[in-house]
Amino acid sequence: AQRVTQPEKLLSVFKGAPVELKCNYSYSGSPELFWYVQYSRQRLQLLLRHISRESIKGFTADLNKGETSFHLKKPFAQEEDSAMYYCALFPYGQNFVFGPGTRLSVLP
Amino acid sequence: GAGVSQTPSNKVTEKGKYVELRCDPISGHTALYWYRQSLGQGPEFLIYFQGTGAADDSGLPNDRFFAVRPEGSVSTLKIQRTERGDSAVYLCASSTQPTTGAGSGANVLTFGAGSRLTVL
Repeated sequence: AQRVTQPEKLLSVFKGAPVELKCNYSYSGSPELFWYVQYSRQRLQLLLRHISRESIKGFTADLNKGETSFHLKKPFAQEEDSAMYYCALFPYGQNFVFGPGTRLSVLP
Repeated sequence: GAGVSQTPSNKVTEKGKYVELRCDPISGHTALYWYRQSLGQGPEFLIYFQGTGAADDSGLPNDRFFAVRPEGSVSTLKIQRTERGDSAVYLCASSTQPTTGAGSGANVLTFGAGSRLTVL
């Protein structure tokens, strides 16, 4: 069965420090991977997807099929990055599978 | 509308009552998903519609849960004989028709604000 794991429930870093939110998935095929973010009192929204290969708000994520990972990285965290981050897997033709989420807290 | 609309935003009910939650997706989005999110957890898949039909309802926890999308637009999630364990935020999301190829502009979920259900 498809599964997404995010080992850290809470990650605290100081402003300006690098941040990496880990995501691993289990799926035998070639899925699409996404990161969704939920800021305080806002709805869940797309941050980035692996096929776009974009940097959004300074965040990047590389799909490593060998390690089945899709870690989210940012070199210099900002206070406004504090939010819940969810990694999601989309096996084509099926439903989206979300991880349990990591709460990122960026301290001043 | 401009986004995915969910009503009610909050619903408090008593154990054993019947509840309906409504989702109005983005116009033209053929795929509609329902998820349930309990405190401290990620969204848990319930059911997915492609057009009017349920393409995958494997996430519905039991036969007290049912969802419809009769005209391929608005969807209603129905919960019978509610239990305290049903308390959660129910999220709806829509997307253009999912594709099987990478590089497509589809396969992106747009979420509603959710309906918070509290069963006393």
